[in-house]
Amino acid sequence: QSVLTQPPSASGTPGQRVTISCSGSSSNIGSNTVNWYQQLPGTAPKLLIYRNDQRPSGVPDRFSGSKSGTSASLAISGLQSEDEVDYYCAAWDDSLNGQLFGGGTKLTVL
Amino acid sequence: EAQLLESGGGLVRPGGSLRLSCAASGFTFSSYAMSWVRQAPGKGLEWVSSISGLGDDTFYADSVKGRFTISRDNSKNTLYLQMNSLRVEDTAVYYCAKGTGHPSGWYDYWGQGALVTASS
Repeated sequence: QSVLTQPPSASGTPGQRVTISCSGSSSNIGSNTVNWYQQLPGTAPKLLIYRNDQRPSGVPDRFSGSKSGTSASLAISGLQSEDEVDYYCAAWDDSLNGQLFGGGTKLTVL
Repeated sequence: EAQLLESGGGLVRPGGSLRLSCAASGFTFSSYAMSWVRQAPGKGLEWVSSISGLGDDTFYADSVKGRFTISRDNSKNTLYLQMNSLRVEDTAVYYCAKGTGHPSGWYDYWGQGALVTASS
């Protein structure tokens, strides 16, 4: 059972803006940065957002991240069919002394 | 560009042992923490273990503590995961991932994964 809580699914239509939430606690999101990963079926995860709101080179600016208190969000604007994959949030937990992943959100483009 | 290549996966009986290796290239291996992350069939990502760049700090998920050992050989640019007393629930694809200067950071490069199946 993940300590970082994400909705199991999200959906939107092409061109729309969708957000995926990630809820944690003071020992993880509240005191450490949040990172987001994108995973296509059958492939390794890919870093999408790091340090709450930073994009690695090559990641389109349609993807953005934010954090407030013990929650974080991933926003995807201008939704495209290729965005229909799984998304995971992650953060270090100071109490567990380990990395936590959210349960993952499967995004559907209607 | 960094590259990570896992090896050593396979089928093992419950209670058995297996050692995964991850060969790294394209970056100064000893300067970065490294981690293992696993994904059971049809499930989400689960962090397993992390190790500091010099190998003097290690961290484990409760689910594997006492059974798995992470280590690294910086002279060979290789990360290891020794898995003992394997359980059916350890069945997963195991990814090695390159971290930042500290194990608490993000993972910017991932290997292709090694499948470990614990089954009788």
